Amino acid sequence: EAGVVQSPRYKIIEKKQPVAFWCNPISGHNTLYWYLQNLGQGPELLIRYENEEAVDDSQLPKDRFSAERLKGVDSTLKIQPAELGDSAVYLCASSLDASGNTGELFFGEGSRLTVL
Amino acid sequence: GEDVEQSLFLSVREGDSSVINCTYTDSSSTYLYWYKQEPGAGLQLLTYIFSNMDMKQDQRLTVLLNKKDKHLSLRIADTQTGDSAIYFCADGAGANNLFFGTGTRLTVIP
Repeated sequence: EAGVVQSPRYKIIEKKQPVAFWCNPISGHNTLYWYLQNLGQGPELLIRYENEEAVDDSQLPKDRFSAERLKGVDSTLKIQPAELGDSAVYLCASSLDASGNTGELFFGEGSRLTVL
Repeated sequence: GEDVEQSLFLSVREGDSSVINCTYTDSSSTYLYWYKQEPGAGLQLLTYIFSNMDMKQDQRLTVLLNKKDKHLSLRIADTQTGDSAIYFCADGAGANNLFFGTGTRLTVIP
């Protein structure tokens, strides 16, 4: 069974440019998460989707970040415009169902963003 | 806010036991978790423990939980070079609400 797939693995852009990351969760997983991982830190939740609904986006900087999961499967995370401080790894994760879930998230390999 | 703390680095010799420690502040956590991140890869759940338990063993892994002191540890017996990775402690009420620590980088010396 395929795991969580993310692309691109690496992206280098200049500041003020836009960037988008794509995530395909494990088939059948209703809940999808985007996490931010800064160097030397643990992941921090940006947004959580249950099917196509964003149920927790309280940590998403909405002035420049946006996300969508239109058909409740794939998701994209966009930054426009990117700033130097956005350099980090953006992790996508999925889980079968948020309710009663013991906390097993399945993570993708991440998209490493470098903003110059 | 919630705070989950870990030491940043640990080095052990191959064959020895490793003990990775974590302290947390949220006393309402239902579960506590250990995730492993290998270089260039996403995180992978290693094990978890219910907050009403004080120990869980799974092959080479032993998790100890001291709720009174809000202290969680992960012991890896007979540590192998393949165990070299970053280990993250996390607490929460389930997948909805995980809060990760900063991670402990384990280096196994052959």
